[in-house]
Amino acid sequence: DVKVTQSSRYLVKRTGEKVFLECVQDMDHENMFWYRQDPGLGLRLIYFSYDVKMKEKGDIPEGYSVSREKKERFSLILESASTNQTSMYLCASSTYRDYMNTEAFFGQGTRLTVV
Amino acid sequence: ELKVEQNPLFLSMQEGKNYTIYCNYSTTSDRLYWYRQDPGRSLESLFVLLSNGAVKQEGRLMASLDTKARLSTLHITAAVHDLSATYFCAVDRGETSGSRLTFGEGTQLTVNP
Repeated sequence: DVKVTQSSRYLVKRTGEKVFLECVQDMDHENMFWYRQDPGLGLRLIYFSYDVKMKEKGDIPEGYSVSREKKERFSLILESASTNQTSMYLCASSTYRDYMNTEAFFGQGTRLTVV
Repeated sequence: ELKVEQNPLFLSMQEGKNYTIYCNYSTTSDRLYWYRQDPGRSLESLFVLLSNGAVKQEGRLMASLDTKARLSTLHITAAVHDLSATYFCAVDRGETSGSRLTFGEGTQLTVNP
C-alpha cells in the first residue's frame, strides 16, 4: 500500500512564527503536492513538485514556500504564519509512470491553528 | 482556468434509495478521479476514470465519465449508512508530467436509517 505520512496531525503556532510541515511517501512517486482544505472552498493546490529540487506554484502559493531535497520528502514552509493560514493541510503523491494508476494518494492531514 | 462543479453539495437520503452526484468541469480532460473523505480523515481514492465512456463499479457505487459532455456521475444504489461521507471529484489538468488535480467543492452525503 502507498503510504504518505505527514509529520504532525495537529499544530498550534503563533503569528509570525516560521512553520515547517513535513511529508514523506514510500512509493517512489515522482509527484508530490500540498493542498489546503477549508470549509466551503474544497481543496486548493498550494505547490507541487515533479522531481527532486523542482517546484511549481499552484493556485494559492502566496505566503508559502516548499522544499524537495529528496524524492520521498516534500516540505511546506510558512515563512511567517498568519491567522488566515489556519487550515487543514494535505500532502499527496502520485506517479506518471503507470498510466492506469495515476491517482493521488493523500496523507492523514495536518490541522494547523495560528493564534 | 479549469473549474470543477459538483451538485448537489449536500445530500440527505434514506437507506435503500438511489441517487446520483454530478461533477461538471470546464475544460477538456480525459482523467477524472473520485475520492471519499470521512469526518476528520484524509481522502481515500475510490475510482480512476481514464477515458470517454469509462464506467467503474465498487459495491453500491458506480462512476462514469463522458468527456464530450465534460460530466462525470457517481451513482449510489440502495444506500446504506456506511456510505455517509463527503465525496469529491477531481479533474486532471492534462499535463503529461503528472496528475495536477483540481477538485470540486465536495458533496456531503448523509444516509439516514
